Amino acid sequence: KQEVTQIPAALSVPEGENLVLNCSFTDSAIYNLQWFRQDPGKGLTSLLLIQSSQREQTSGRLNASLDKSSGRSTLYIAASQPGDSATYLCAVGEYSGAGSYQLTFGKGTKLSVIP
Amino acid sequence: DVKVTQSSRYLVKRTGEKVFLECVQDMDHENMFWYRQDPGLGLRLIYFSYDVKMKEKGDIPEGYSVSREKKERFSLILESASTNQTSMYLCASSFPGQGGNEKLFFGSGTQLSVL
Repeated sequence: KQEVTQIPAALSVPEGENLVLNCSFTDSAIYNLQWFRQDPGKGLTSLLLIQSSQREQTSGRLNASLDKSSGRSTLYIAASQPGDSATYLCAVGEYSGAGSYQLTFGKGTKLSVIP
Repeated sequence: DVKVTQSSRYLVKRTGEKVFLECVQDMDHENMFWYRQDPGLGLRLIYFSYDVKMKEKGDIPEGYSVSREKKERFSLILESASTNQTSMYLCASSFPGQGGNEKLFFGSGTQLSVL
């Protein structure tokens, strides 16, 4: 069964710093990988989706990379801002034997950006 | 923009009550999902549906059932609510893409408390 791990569980950085969030998964036969942001008490917002054939995706100050063979993904946030404070979740997409698409989530990294 | 709407933001119910959580999406998505999110356990898949009247069990279906009579609406039912079902419930939808492009869109969540 797929397992997704995110390290660290929490991270605190000063404003303006560049940072990297890590995600690892146990089964490399994935279909895609998504990074989400969750604000306290709210739903999840999709940030980036990397298809299994891709190595990275970029959106503004965010860059996500994928190394399927090693079972790893990173989310790079440049020039962090207090508004980036949130929990970031990594999720691996797979197709089950029955042909249905499912996501397996990590437990998230809680990021605090200190002004 | 895709909109996934969950009918209640907060809900308080008594043990033994039958509880309905409603989710509606406006983008004609075929796939819909129900997750619960608990501190320390992350998001866990309860049920999902890839077409009208179709449903599949996720990782933790016990104590829950679902209904999908129309494509845009996916309901989660707690037949007899128990205190261990106190949780944040998140609904999501996606369109079955090609090439690994199935991006999930989440609702804002329903915080259910069972007393």
